[in-house]
Amino acid sequence: QQPVQSPQAVILREGEDAVINCSSSKALYSVHWYRQKHGEAPVFLMILLKGGEQKGHEKISASFNEKKQQSSLYLTASQLSYSGTYFCGASGGGADGLTFGKGTHLIIQP
Amino acid sequence: NAGVTQTPKFRVLKTGQSMTLLCAQDMNHEYMYWYRQDPGMGLRLIHYSVGEGTTAKGEVPDGYNVSRLKKQNFLLGLESAAPSQTSVYFCASRAPGIGGARLQQYFGPGTRLTVT
Repeated sequence: QQPVQSPQAVILREGEDAVINCSSSKALYSVHWYRQKHGEAPVFLMILLKGGEQKGHEKISASFNEKKQQSSLYLTASQLSYSGTYFCGASGGGADGLTFGKGTHLIIQP
Repeated sequence: NAGVTQTPKFRVLKTGQSMTLLCAQDMNHEYMYWYRQDPGMGLRLIHYSVGEGTTAKGEVPDGYNVSRLKKQNFLLGLESAAPSQTSVYFCASRAPGIGGARLQQYFGPGTRLTVT
């Protein structure tokens, strides 16, 4: 079962904030966030492990609520370079691969 | 280090033709993965391998075969290509274990395949 991402798309002006959510119906060990620009490979942003950890990467941070099996990605003071499609990938902790959501399209306008 | 590389970058096949996609990594990773990405679907796991000589099915394995004869290489084969296999194929690898950094999957640049 694919994680469910919301919203499907969002349009922001440069400098505004955004939140992207990822919900899973199965028990999660870790949540992985990627950003992908058109025609390119996904670029790794961060991993969150179960335990409610919150991590940050420049002006991008994320949280993981183990009880709700949800993760949220926070983009603060968005820049034009943040445009792209954001994917969450869910892992149950095994060697099998990630189960990805369908993505959230983020457009940043000047 | 080149990281994860994929060959070829682009390919056009006719229905019924066969081909092999090559993934190579120089990070000495045990685990390797093949994903396909279709518009609006995100990435879906085709097959994966946890070590040389081992492979396992993922979410969408039908129509594909894989082999891992060498630790650094993971091959994805299409025996009889179909238009439904038109997609972008990504290979990824990672180290074994469950510690945070070891969970990170490193992606190759992708192969864009069109089947007519």
